[in-house]
Amino acid sequence: AQSVTQLGSHVSVSEGALVLLRCNYSSSVPPYLFWYVQYPNQGLQLLLKYTSAATLVKGINGFEAEFKKSETSFHLTKPSAHMSDAAEYFCAVSAQTGSARQLTFGSGTQLTVLP
Amino acid sequence: KAGVTQTPRYLIKTRGQQVTLSCSPISGHRSVSWYQQTPGQGLQFLFEYFSETQRNKGNFPGRFSGRQFSNSRSEMNVSTLELGDSALYLCASSPVTSGGPADTQYFGPGTRLTVL
Repeated sequence: AQSVTQLGSHVSVSEGALVLLRCNYSSSVPPYLFWYVQYPNQGLQLLLKYTSAATLVKGINGFEAEFKKSETSFHLTKPSAHMSDAAEYFCAVSAQTGSARQLTFGSGTQLTVLP
Repeated sequence: KAGVTQTPRYLIKTRGQQVTLSCSPISGHRSVSWYQQTPGQGLQFLFEYFSETQRNKGNFPGRFSGRQFSNSRSEMNVSTLELGDSALYLCASSPVTSGGPADTQYFGPGTRLTVL
């Protein structure tokens, strides 16, 4: 079974500051990992995903994440926050076995960007 | 390409009624998954359909069911609605590649169900 823990349900940063959203996973097999963003009254939009090709994954809107097996982490970062980054962010894991397309999500982190 | 569409966007029902939600996947996508999102439980997997067959099911009671049509469109049904079924129901479609669980899921805007 897989699980995801997102540390910090709310994170506030100033505009232009570094964004760091934390995600730790638990999986008995090598995982596939995803970061999604959700804006109010919308569905989820994929930011990036890790599928074992490279440990540093670059996504859309300047976000990137690094897979660290030793730390079972997949933290999301962005060098400089923009007001438009304010949203809820979800980390998700999918097991690397079988053909199932089932995502297990973390509880989410609400990002606030202060002017 | 048009994205995943879900209808209706908003729905109000009363306890005991049943409801059907519809999802049209991105053209060419043959896998459709459904998720429930609530403030208390977060995002939870309901089921996945591929080639009109349920491939995988989450831990939900039998009141939750779904189906997929030959054009990959999917519907989910909830019978005997309870207050706790109030949620945002998200549909996601995925291209079927050899990646399986690595395939990206593309989400629709969701259907907001309120049970009174």
